[in-house]
Amino acid sequence: DIQMTQSPSSLSASVGDRVTITCRASQDIRSNLTWFQQKPGKAPKSLIYAASSLQSGVPSKFSGSGSGTDFTLTISSLQPEDFATYYCQQYRSYPLTFGGGTKVEIK
Amino acid sequence: EVQLVESGGGLVQPGGSLRLSCAASGFSFSDHYMDWVRQAPGKGLEWVGRSRNKANSYTTEYAASVKGRFTISRDDSKNSLFLQMNSLKTEDTAVYFCTKVTAYAFEIWGQGTMVTVSS
Repeated sequence: DIQMTQSPSSLSASVGDRVTITCRASQDIRSNLTWFQQKPGKAPKSLIYAASSLQSGVPSKFSGSGSGTDFTLTISSLQPEDFATYYCQQYRSYPLTFGGGTKVEIK
Repeated sequence: EVQLVESGGGLVQPGGSLRLSCAASGFSFSDHYMDWVRQAPGKGLEWVGRSRNKANSYTTEYAASVKGRFTISRDDSKNSLFLQMNSLKTEDTAVYFCTKVTAYAFEIWGQGTMVTVSS
């Protein structure tokens, strides 16, 4: 199975901050990576697919980059509605696997 | 509007069975792969399994943790996805989400249905 490791597991940031979350795959997954946002008690929301493509309706403050084993999610200017947990997920091979999540909290 | 609505969750004893449903609307259901993903209370996300579309013979994939116990099926005429869960264990307790897959990636998620396995 491909292991997905996210870092950090949590971070504190202020409104307006630029935030970067990293995700590392245990083997080459090319660009077969998605990023999700999840708020407490809610379903995940897909943000980015194919490592860097924005899902329809997702604001451009979210961006993704990387390929192979190392990926990043960047939020250019953190807003109150962005405080949530973020997950990466690979779909290169079965079983599909998720990172452990990064909780973004208010400083 | 694309919408996925899960139902069928509830409390079941260990060793019991439960069937979850996911009603889809707002897109061409028959064209898409559909997956189930679960989330145990306070934990991260775990992929459960996949149903491919008719063009791919409705074949399925499963996580090792559920293979042989869970079965995914679909009824394209009713725009519905199902998850038959047998021999349930306490560790199957989770919120179960159905997801619409586009270009092999999860695009849309339902709101989830809670399954509690407890005596």
